[in-house]
Formats: sequence, C-alpha cells, structure tokens
Amino acid sequence: GAVVSQHPSRVICKSGTSVKIECRSLDFQATTMFWYRQFPKQSLMLMATSNEGSKATYEQGVEKDKFLINHASLTLSTLTVTSAHPEDSSFYICSARDGRGGLSGELFFGEGSRLTVL
Amino acid sequence: KQEVTQIPAALSVPEGENLVLNCSFTDSAIYNLQWFRQDPGKGLTSLLLIQSSQREQTSGRLNASLDKSSGRSTLYIAASQPGDSATYLCAVTTSGGSYIPTFGRGTSLIVHP
Repeated sequence: GAVVSQHPSRVICKSGTSVKIECRSLDFQATTMFWYRQFPKQSLMLMATSNEGSKATYEQGVEKDKFLINHASLTLSTLTVTSAHPEDSSFYICSARDGRGGLSGELFFGEGSRLTVL
Repeated sequence: KQEVTQIPAALSVPEGENLVLNCSFTDSAIYNLQWFRQDPGKGLTSLLLIQSSQREQTSGRLNASLDKSSGRSTLYIAASQPGDSATYLCAVTTSGGSYIPTFGRGTSLIVHP
C-alpha cells in the first residue's frame, strides 16, 4: 500500500520550546491530510483537517495558534506545537487521503510521533 | 452527526478461531468505510477499504462486509494467529461536505497461543 512518512517518531523537548512534526506522502499526492492526537488506550481525536494551499480547519477546542498546521504541497504537511507544555505530551498521528480516489480515497497513516515535554 | 460504534470493545481468543468484529454507524449516507489495525505505540495500518457501492472486500484471511441499509460492517478474521493481536478500528467517511472520517473506539484483540 501507499506510504506516509512521519518524522520524528520520538521527540523530547523542554517546556516553552516549539516542535515541528512532518508528514509526507511518499508515493501519492494527498489532497487532504488529517492530524490526530491519541491519549493512552483511547481512540483518535481529530485536531484539524488540512487541504493543500489553504488554511487548516481546526476542530472545536483545538487552539490554532498553538498547533500550527501548514500544508505547503500535495505531499507535505507539518504540525508545529508552539510553546509546548507538559500537557501537550501525547502521541500525534497524521493521515493522508490518496487523491487518486477523489473524496472517497483511501486513508493512509504515518507511524506517529511521541512528544514528551519536560 | 455520524456516530460509529464498535463491538466488542475487547476480545481474547485462542489461536485458530474465526472471529467477527462489528462496526455500526448511524448515518447511512457514506462514501466509504475503512478498517485499520493499530499496534501499540504505532500508527494505523490500512486493512480494507469498502466503497459505498461495494458489499465486501477480501484480503488474505480478512473479509469485510458492508450493509449500508442497516448501518453495519463486519470484519471477519479467519484462523486467527497471535500476530493478529492488535486494536482494530473502523472509520466511516460520510457525504455532506466535510468528508472527514469518523472513527470508532476500536476492538482490542488478543490471540493467545
């Protein structure tokens, strides 16, 4: 199947710093990318939907100034956690929709990024 | 608003058993339904994608069915193996403008030798 690369897989940072997570679709163009947060033993919580060339659409309760999402190309989206605090520590996962399937295209997920804020 | 429910929440079976995992959804106006597996600390791996016009998809020991009228999908796992142990999630993409997939909470499966 198609591959979505997410980097870094693990990151530890100090409180107050910013962290950038990259999500790349390696062998297809992703018209839409999704960013999720997952707490231990819980399902995925959608943070935002990102369409190439336009501003991300954030879910209710997600601070857009804290979680900056940029979808600069059809193969790359980034999530920047600004001024990170310990409560931002979590598992972040990106997903990309294969544009070849149109709006009902298959979803592919990255391997996730474990963020720990000290 | 689409709601997706997965039953059972957890399942523990001996190796070799045939399994059925259930996924139900409230809004039948869907584009597609997709089944994933997630291993601990990992991302999601796509297993099967069923478009709204399809009734089932098969891949190896896995078979997924879709009944839009009753709002149900089942994932059938034949001859289960310890390597099948994971959390299985279904995601439904609904029509109506947003095309945002809605996930169930998953079924945690343990297959013991």
